[in-house]
Amino acid sequence: NAGVTQTPKFQVLKTGQSMTLQCAQDMNHNSMYWYRQDPGMGLRLIYYSASEGTTDKGEVPNGYNVSRLNKREFSLRLESAAPSQTSVYFCASSLGGAVSDTQYFGPGTRLTVL
Amino acid sequence: AQSVTQPDIHITVSEGASLELRCNYSYGATPYLFWYVQSPGQGLQLLLKYFSGDTLVQGIKGFEAEFKRSQSSFNLRKPSVHWSDAAEYFCAVGASGGSYIPTFGRGTSLIVHP
Repeated sequence: NAGVTQTPKFQVLKTGQSMTLQCAQDMNHNSMYWYRQDPGMGLRLIYYSASEGTTDKGEVPNGYNVSRLNKREFSLRLESAAPSQTSVYFCASSLGGAVSDTQYFGPGTRLTVL
Repeated sequence: AQSVTQPDIHITVSEGASLELRCNYSYGATPYLFWYVQSPGQGLQLLLKYFSGDTLVQGIKGFEAEFKRSQSSFNLRKPSVHWSDAAEYFCAVGASGGSYIPTFGRGTSLIVHP
């Protein structure tokens, strides 16, 4: 049981390049999330997927797109990377849409945009 | 909308000393409260959560937290800190009447001196 896995662990991009961050969970969770973590800002929600087939914007969605490929996988795409997107990106999952749910986090992807 | 404040950006304690990390929330009804820990280079892990019942909640790794409605607080405590407790700690609040996704605080970095 691997929990939540993310690839890659590290990435360096040039401004304007595109990339996709991959996330998968093996806990049969319905909900999945993408966060970014910046120093002094805590975690900010980019996008989430309450269930397979649905996605919704979070607090900071600009410059990102997501795909809920199936129940296990939720990818985050940067179409044209900008230096402001330099951050640590975390994927998380939870059982369902209950406010009491625990979120389970992946190890993160450290992205630098030059 | 709910919000959460962690007033301390950094806390330094000596190994073996007691610890209290502060968390204040803003929400009209009974909130759902969480503490997560992020060890260096890793994702977040749930320490404990509260949504009803006994206001003193026990968590993993010897941590506990107390919900005080009159003070809108949910402070995290540990009687004797170990060097391995050095990490980033995040308080989060969820609201039953709105989005089920919790709002995270900006985090408190715990430094442990030998």
